[in-house]
Amino acid sequence: GQNIDQPTEMTATEGAIVQINCTYQTSGFNGLFWYQQHAGEAPTFLSYNVLDGLEEKGRFSSFLSRSKGYSYLLLKELQMKDSASYLCAVRDSNSGYALNFGKGTSLLVTP
Amino acid sequence: GAVVSQHPSRVICKSGTSVKIECRSLDFQATTMFWYRQFPKQSLMLMATSNEGSKATYEQGVEKDKFLINHASLTLSTLTVTSAHPEDSSFYICSATQGNEQYFGPGTRLTVT
Repeated sequence: GQNIDQPTEMTATEGAIVQINCTYQTSGFNGLFWYQQHAGEAPTFLSYNVLDGLEEKGRFSSFLSRSKGYSYLLLKELQMKDSASYLCAVRDSNSGYALNFGKGTSLLVTP
Repeated sequence: GAVVSQHPSRVICKSGTSVKIECRSLDFQATTMFWYRQFPKQSLMLMATSNEGSKATYEQGVEKDKFLINHASLTLSTLTVTSAHPEDSSFYICSATQGNEQYFGPGTRLTVT
């Protein structure tokens, strides 16, 4: 089984930077994913990490430390449209490569 | 990126009836698709893994006789909620894997009255 923890809610200001942390425990780690989900919609893929380090993709970056069971998603130059839920998900080779999701972090971007 | 579609997007049914939800990979073949369920303000919970040409693998606590999964081709998986009850009302989302990325369908909002 897995334990995936992330903060429930965060608030940040437009134009600022925000870091959303995720910790996990898994026996067959095979990758960590971040998704964005707006209310009533399906998740959209943001990033994937399988090796330690930072992956940068425009305004979004994701970091992974496998030894610490830790990842973060960094959002820069926040925009109002970034208000959404951010889901951390771990792929486990012992679970048929399905994704197991954390409860999600609801981010509110304020003017 | 790859596209996954779901049909219908919304469905309302009466208690005791069955509902079929389709999940299609539109521009790629998927030997494995996944079905998730999401209750309001909660995260996605994996229900089952759908394998083309073989039986689905269900997560603990998910009744295989109630949630029938058929993966008849490399681009189509169906989930049938049999004898639906109000507690089955939820957002059902499928996904398919291409390489290291997992693409989600737009989801189906099921309301059982």
